[in-house]
Amino acid sequence: GQQLNQSPQSMFIQEGEDVSMNCTSSSIFNTWLWYKQDPGEGPVLLIALYKAGELTSNGRLTAQFGITRKDSFLNISASIPSDVGIYFCAGITGNQFYFGTGTSLTVIP
Amino acid sequence: DTEVTQTPKHLVMGMTNKKSLKCEQHMGHRAMYWYKQKAKKPPELMFVYSYEKLSINESVPSRFSPECPNSSLLNLHLHALQPEDSALYLCASSREGSGANVLTFGAGSRLTVL
Repeated sequence: GQQLNQSPQSMFIQEGEDVSMNCTSSSIFNTWLWYKQDPGEGPVLLIALYKAGELTSNGRLTAQFGITRKDSFLNISASIPSDVGIYFCAGITGNQFYFGTGTSLTVIP
Repeated sequence: DTEVTQTPKHLVMGMTNKKSLKCEQHMGHRAMYWYKQKAKKPPELMFVYSYEKLSINESVPSRFSPECPNSSLLNLHLHALQPEDSALYLCASSREGSGANVLTFGAGSRLTVL
């Protein structure tokens, strides 16, 4: 199946710092999604992107649909302790939905 | 109501037990999904129901048996499980009946098989 590689695999940052993570694939996707998962909970949708080049914000979060349609980026500004969790990208192509490998974020107060 | 509700939150069962996980959504979504998730890994698709019919079975062992009584409900019947089946089981739903849609997830059922 499709492989969506996320980097970095894990991040340890100080509260207040900005965060950047990305998701890449060798294949083209029509939709990119970013989910956050808190420990013991289900993934929650943060941002959905539907067009190449699209830049969308949700509060302190900003995500972009890469021009090549093979990648997407998520930025978090001024991180806070509740940003802790695992961030998954997901791509949709044809009638298939694929998860990325995940980025684990730890915010140190 | 924009939630997917899963019960129970936690389940502990022996290898000879029969139990069920339940999922409910009232968003009028036409597709419902079961995923299995191991710690620090992405969710893995198990089953998809589209318009109340099983459309995808990702070669899941028969000890897992899905059921979709109506468009709002999804069950996962468990029998003769193995310890390696211990995981977080996630239910999800989407508006349309194909796999290519934004998924809304429930909070999950944490299963421990002894």
